Amino acid sequence: GDSVTQMEGPVTLSEEAFLTINCTYTATGYPSLFWYVQYPGEGLQLLLKATKADDKGSNKGFEATYRKETTSFHLEKGSVQVSDSAVYFCALRSILTGGGNKLTFGTGTQLKVEL
Amino acid sequence: DTGVSQDPRHKITKRGQNVTFRCDPISEHNRLYWYRQTLGQGPEFLTYFQNEAQLEKSRLLSDRFSAERPKGSFSTLEIQRTEQGDSAMYLCASSTDQGIGELFFGEGSRLTVL
Repeated sequence: GDSVTQMEGPVTLSEEAFLTINCTYTATGYPSLFWYVQYPGEGLQLLLKATKADDKGSNKGFEATYRKETTSFHLEKGSVQVSDSAVYFCALRSILTGGGNKLTFGTGTQLKVEL
Repeated sequence: DTGVSQDPRHKITKRGQNVTFRCDPISEHNRLYWYRQTLGQGPEFLTYFQNEAQLEKSRLLSDRFSAERPKGSFSTLEIQRTEQGDSAMYLCASSTDQGIGELFFGEGSRLTVL
């Protein structure tokens, strides 16, 4: 079945540091890939997505590139801020999914950014 | 800003009791999803509705679990004869039937079974 593997957290960085959160997946064919973010006390929200190989999703300074060769979708940001402290979830939507947006999530990576 | 709302936010119950959670999706969204999230894990799909029709159910949804969306608007998730293993955060999300992958999540209902 489909699965998503994320690097374990927590990840602690200083403000303005470079961020990478690794994500790899196993799925049939070429799924759509997503990063969701959960800020403290809030629901999950979509951060960015990529629907085909070599697509780059970007939002709020975060980027991730869909690499089919390595089945990866690593999240990066050049300079993190304290306000980026949150839990980040990598997810996929299988091409075998019916009409719905059934997503398979990774376990999440907690990011803490300190001054 | 009318997002997805869930009620109650936290429920503590004794083993063997029944509990019900309610989800009110974004009004123009015709799809509604239930997920379960345990500590240290990502959300796991339970079931989804398109309008009032329940189109898919996960194997995680045992026969003690039932979900309804009677008028295609709000939804309820009922757990009968709760077990300690049911302790989790129950997440509701909604979406339109356009686009791919953008689910709008509520803040969740946390269930603690003693």
